[in-house]
Amino acid sequence: KAGVTQTPRYLIKTRGQQVTLSCSPISGHRSVSWYQQTPGQGLQFLFEYFSETQRNKGNFPGRFSGRQFSNSRSEMNVSTLELGDSALYLCASSLAVGQNTEAFFGQGTRLTVV
Amino acid sequence: DQQVKQNSPSLSVQEGRISILNCDYTNSMFDYFLWYKKYPAEGPTFLISISSIKDKNEDGRFTVFLNKSAKHLSLHIVPSQPGDSAVYFCAASGATGGFKTIFGAGTRLFVKA
Repeated sequence: KAGVTQTPRYLIKTRGQQVTLSCSPISGHRSVSWYQQTPGQGLQFLFEYFSETQRNKGNFPGRFSGRQFSNSRSEMNVSTLELGDSALYLCASSLAVGQNTEAFFGQGTRLTVV
Repeated sequence: DQQVKQNSPSLSVQEGRISILNCDYTNSMFDYFLWYKKYPAEGPTFLISISSIKDKNEDGRFTVFLNKSAKHLSLHIVPSQPGDSAVYFCAASGATGGFKTIFGAGTRLFVKA
């Protein structure tokens, strides 16, 4: 069974641009969460989607948005990029929502803003 | 406001000895705790979890202990192996938070051969 797939793996963007990251969850998993990892900050929760609906949201500005499609694939968009947005963006999928469960992570997308 | 704290950024242990990674949390409504391991250039992988109704859970060389009154959990690795060298993340979730998983900052473990 294929794992969580994130594309692209690496990305370099300029300040002010926008970027879209993609995540394909494990087959059968309907919940997708996004995290930002920066040195010393751990994994900061961005948002969670289930059945095309945002279920949870972290404390990030409105420049960060996401969506989920009917096949459970998810995209994350960051507009008006800032240097501080440089980070590893991780997507995780899980079988269910509304209960405690472990998540399965992709390899992440390394975003560098210059 | 860091609800899950891993106060040791790094830990160095000799091969064969015990590794103890610590984690504190502030939200008493968390009722499920997890540990993930992360190698460079890979996503975190689930290691072990514990529900708040238990105080210990064991899986091979890995044991997680939960002290609810102290809001503290720890991961014990015995014996430690060089392949255990990685970043370990503590995480917590609960119904009142909509089950979103909150992660700590991570502890980098070095196991010396």
